[in-house]
Amino acid sequence: EDKVVQSPLSLVVHEGDTVTLNCSYEVTNFRSLLWYKQEKKAPTFLFMLTSSGIEKKSGRLSSILDKKELFSILNITATQTGDSAVYLCAVDPPEGAQKLVFGQGTRLTINP
Amino acid sequence: NAGVTQTPKFQVLKTGQSMTLQCAQDMNHEYMSWYRQDPGMGLRLIHYSVGAGITDQGEVPNGYNVSRSTTEDFPLRLLSAAPSQTSVYFCASSYLKTGIGGYTFGSGTRLTVV
Repeated sequence: EDKVVQSPLSLVVHEGDTVTLNCSYEVTNFRSLLWYKQEKKAPTFLFMLTSSGIEKKSGRLSSILDKKELFSILNITATQTGDSAVYLCAVDPPEGAQKLVFGQGTRLTINP
Repeated sequence: NAGVTQTPKFQVLKTGQSMTLQCAQDMNHEYMSWYRQDPGMGLRLIHYSVGAGITDQGEVPNGYNVSRSTTEDFPLRLLSAAPSQTSVYFCASSYLKTGIGGYTFGSGTRLTVV
């Protein structure tokens, strides 16, 4: 069964710290790995990763995928209180399967 | 630009009652899906559809029905509500060709069954 595991489940840091969130998966032949940020309501899209070793960046956030070791990381530098959220990792399966598989999420809390 | 619209935003049901959660999208997305989100469980797929007239089960389909009579609408029906169905429900849609990773989510429905 396809599985996505995120760690840690919860993380509390101080504003300005750098954090690394982990996502490991047991899914074969997927099309992409995705990161979402969920504050109070619907998840919002952050990154889509399809190739191994290529870093995607958006401001203070960056993510990289390692297809050989079956994991991805999401880095947030110079954290701000607005980064407090649940971060979700999901794997987009091969064409035809049509079932996005989510991890449990990491709850990140940034204290001022 | 409505995107994905879910109604209602909140609902309280008594055990045994039935109800329909509505989901509509105006982006001409082929793919639509329903997830439930429970604490510590992430998002779990209930049902999904790849086009009008086509539906399939996800990971946790028991107690729920869906239909897809039009491209725009994908309602989720709870047949006989149980306390275990207390959850936050999200509808999501995407184009099939670009991969379902490019989801657009609705704002969610918080359902409590007492």
